[in-house]
Amino acid sequence: ILNVEQSPQSLHVQEGDSTNFTCSFPSSNFYALHWYRWETAKSPEALFVMTLNGDEKKKGRISATLNTKEGYSYLYIKGSQPEDSATYLCAFNGNKLVFGAGTILRVKS
Amino acid sequence: EAGVAQSPRYKIIEKRQSVAFWCNPISGHATLYWYQQILGQGPKLLIQFQNNGVVDDSQLPKDRFSAERLKGVDSTLKIQPAKLEDSAVYLCASSAYDRVSYGYTFGSGTRLTVV
Repeated sequence: ILNVEQSPQSLHVQEGDSTNFTCSFPSSNFYALHWYRWETAKSPEALFVMTLNGDEKKKGRISATLNTKEGYSYLYIKGSQPEDSATYLCAFNGNKLVFGAGTILRVKS
Repeated sequence: EAGVAQSPRYKIIEKRQSVAFWCNPISGHATLYWYQQILGQGPKLLIQFQNNGVVDDSQLPKDRFSAERLKGVDSTLKIQPAKLEDSAVYLCASSAYDRVSYGYTFGSGTRLTVV
């Protein structure tokens, strides 16, 4: 059974804090690693799709890194804002897309 | 481009009743996925279609769940009869290719509550 683990399960931060989450995945049969943001009552939105070991991607205040050899990815949010509150899902794309359980982020103003 | 459309948004049914969900993917997307997301867990793939053929339905509880994608466009997912443990968000997603490097496009999901 393919295991994709995310930590922490949930996070409460103050506006302006920087934060990061971890996604662990199998290091074999790797094709891509996806990050999604899922706000309540909305569609999950693709943030990044990362394919190369050592890859770093950035979108505004959000960035992600990838280590395929050791099987982990980090998502960073710099200067968290209330609108960043959401569930952040990572998904391992080997033969099929397998999701982690997500990290719930709540940013207090 | 229009997104992935799903309906209904919410559904409450009693156990042993039947329910159906509908998905209209992005035009031209050959691959369509149905995911089940139970509270506290990550989305789990139920079934994947490539055009109107099934690619993967290994995690679909076939004794009660069925899905079809006629004409390779819209899809319906049915549960008959429903159980309490089927309470979840059912997400539909589509992509242009089987293995993508740019992410899937998801609908906003159907939240099913079985009482």
